Amino acid sequence: DGGITQSPKYLFRKEGQNVTLSCEQNLNHDAMYWYRQDPGQGLRLIYYSQIVNDFQKGDIAEGYSVSREKKESFPLTVTSAQKNPTAFYLCASSFHRIAGGRNTGELFFGEGSRLTVL
Amino acid sequence: GENVEQHPSTLSVQEGDSAVIKCTYSDSASNYFPWYKQELGKRPQLIIDIRSNVGEKKDQRIAVTLNKTAKHFSLHITETQPEDSAVYFCAASNRVDSSYKLIFGSGTRLLVRP
Repeated sequence: DGGITQSPKYLFRKEGQNVTLSCEQNLNHDAMYWYRQDPGQGLRLIYYSQIVNDFQKGDIAEGYSVSREKKESFPLTVTSAQKNPTAFYLCASSFHRIAGGRNTGELFFGEGSRLTVL
Repeated sequence: GENVEQHPSTLSVQEGDSAVIKCTYSDSASNYFPWYKQELGKRPQLIIDIRSNVGEKKDQRIAVTLNKTAKHFSLHITETQPEDSAVYFCAASNRVDSSYKLIFGSGTRLLVRP
């Protein structure tokens, strides 16, 4: 069953601790993304990656880090430098390029990870 | 960079009425405009999208219109049903780099009253 999986679903962290959120997809998508969702602010892009071993900062990258060592995986680390880390984090994936009408650019989202800093 | 504004932030309609959500964008190079629906506690899902070479697209009870000159696009839901209650996000993308890096609006919470 193809899809995109995030873990953990809920996570609690003490101030000053780093935490890593997992995102795995088996859709053979080239591009992967991390969004942060806060009430009334929509979805804001943290990082995105178009191919393996390459990634770019989004609009709110400060205090976050990512890696893309495998096509299927795009973990997000929320570091202690992130001043307001409590949020709902959504991972997504998509095809990178349209190829013969094979894809539409649709983002497929995971179920999200809710991080609470105590 | 691109900026997308979405209105209204909340919308309450009677079942069977129509609902309209509007978005404006700032980057004239943007040419892909999807709409996502997020039901309570669930992941966002694409419901309809439009590219800049067309002005309107319909899919059953939902439609999207695009005015490139004015840089705004709208989602129209007709004959609303309680299951349409959700948060709707518009988005815009400049596909020059083929990355589909979407910039989202702030969302509209639609409530359909039975």
